[in-house]
Amino acid sequence: AQKITQTQPGMFVQEKEAVTLDCTYDTSDQSYGLFWYKQPSSGEMIFLIYQGSYDEQNATEGRYSLNFQKARKSANLVISASQLGDSAMYFCAMRETYTGFQKLVFGTGTRLLVSP
Amino acid sequence: EADIYQTPRYLVIGTGKKITLECSQTMGHDKMYWYQQDPGMELHLIHYSYGVNSTEKGDLSSESTVSRIRTEHFPLTLESARPSHTSQYLCASSPSGQGINQPQHFGDGTRLSIL
Repeated sequence: AQKITQTQPGMFVQEKEAVTLDCTYDTSDQSYGLFWYKQPSSGEMIFLIYQGSYDEQNATEGRYSLNFQKARKSANLVISASQLGDSAMYFCAMRETYTGFQKLVFGTGTRLLVSP
Repeated sequence: EADIYQTPRYLVIGTGKKITLECSQTMGHDKMYWYQQDPGMELHLIHYSYGVNSTEKGDLSSESTVSRIRTEHFPLTLESARPSHTSQYLCASSPSGQGINQPQHFGDGTRLSIL
């Protein structure tokens, strides 16, 4: 079964600094997708960025980028120029494909706190 | 902007009551999902649906049931609520036939508290 590991329960960063949130995964699939979601204290899940296993370039979306190292099975999220509004839980997730349904498996999350 | 709506946003109710959590999406997505999430913890899939008249149990065992009579509507029901059902319930949807890169779109969630 596929598994996502997020080893950082909490991270602190000062405003305007960059921060890296770690994510490692375990899968025997050749084709898979990795997602990052943000969950503010209000509870909704906000999609941030996607990386496909066959994508040669690291994904970027505005201030978010994904440091994808396939051989190490890691997909770390990098947030540049942190803002106070970035304070939230961040979840890494993998899409299973072998079932044909493409369910998402989530990690335990990292709580990011951005200080002024 | 995803158009998926959950009601109620918050619910505090006594033990033994029947509860229905509503989830509707206006995007025409075939696939819909229910996740359960305890505070500060990961999401666990409890139900999903391929489309109308399709429902499947997820990875986490749940006493809840779901139905999918219309594409846009995927309600979750608890016949007799218990304190152990206290949690946040998140509904999501995704389109079919567009590859593994399509993200799931989530509603705002329902925070359920059973007294």
